[in-house]
Amino acid sequence: ETGVTQSPTHLIKTRGQQVTLRCSSQSGHNTVSWYQQALGQGPQFIFQYYREEENGRGNFPPRFSGLQFPNYSSELNVNALELDDSALYLCASSLLDTVSTDTQYFGPGTRLTVL
Amino acid sequence: QKEVEQDPGPLSVPEGAIVSLNCTYSNSAFQYFMWYRQYSRKGPELLMYTYSSGNKEDGRFTAQVDKSSKYISLFIRDSQPSDSATYLCAMTPSGSARQLTFGSGTQLTVLP
Repeated sequence: ETGVTQSPTHLIKTRGQQVTLRCSSQSGHNTVSWYQQALGQGPQFIFQYYREEENGRGNFPPRFSGLQFPNYSSELNVNALELDDSALYLCASSLLDTVSTDTQYFGPGTRLTVL
Repeated sequence: QKEVEQDPGPLSVPEGAIVSLNCTYSNSAFQYFMWYRQYSRKGPELLMYTYSSGNKEDGRFTAQVDKSSKYISLFIRDSQPSDSATYLCAMTPSGSARQLTFGSGTQLTVLP
């Protein structure tokens, strides 16, 4: 069974630029959630995708957007980067259906630094 | 005020000690409670998962939930240096695959 993978591992951008982060979900999972973890803080929910549709969103501005593909992999896009966007971005996959709810399994994260 | 409060520590204990980690929360809708462990530069990994009030034991780990007090705990018995990590509590109203609300994490060091 393949775990959750994320790319790239590290990224350095300058303020105002745009960035795309990628996530491959665990085999058999149909849901991907994205979280932002600032240094010394717990992860904060950005949004979740279920079967290619957004299925919940946290308190993040519209410049944070996402996609989920038919193979359930996902992208997180952030436009007009700000210094405060510097953080570890975590992707978590899970199986969501009407019968049972699975727990979320996290990838290793992408560390984004905005200069 | 944050929905989930967690003492950030750092907490340092000798090997073999019993460790107690705690979170309080304000949202009475939370029904599912989790503890994640996060090693440096890694993603969180699930340790314990409980639904509603009660206790759950798994090896050296015991999770407790007291919904009347809005208080959850994780106990680690016979702590090992390999337990050194940040411990995050997380909770959600509607199933563990849904949006999780995390505490800020407690950094634990177990000294050999």
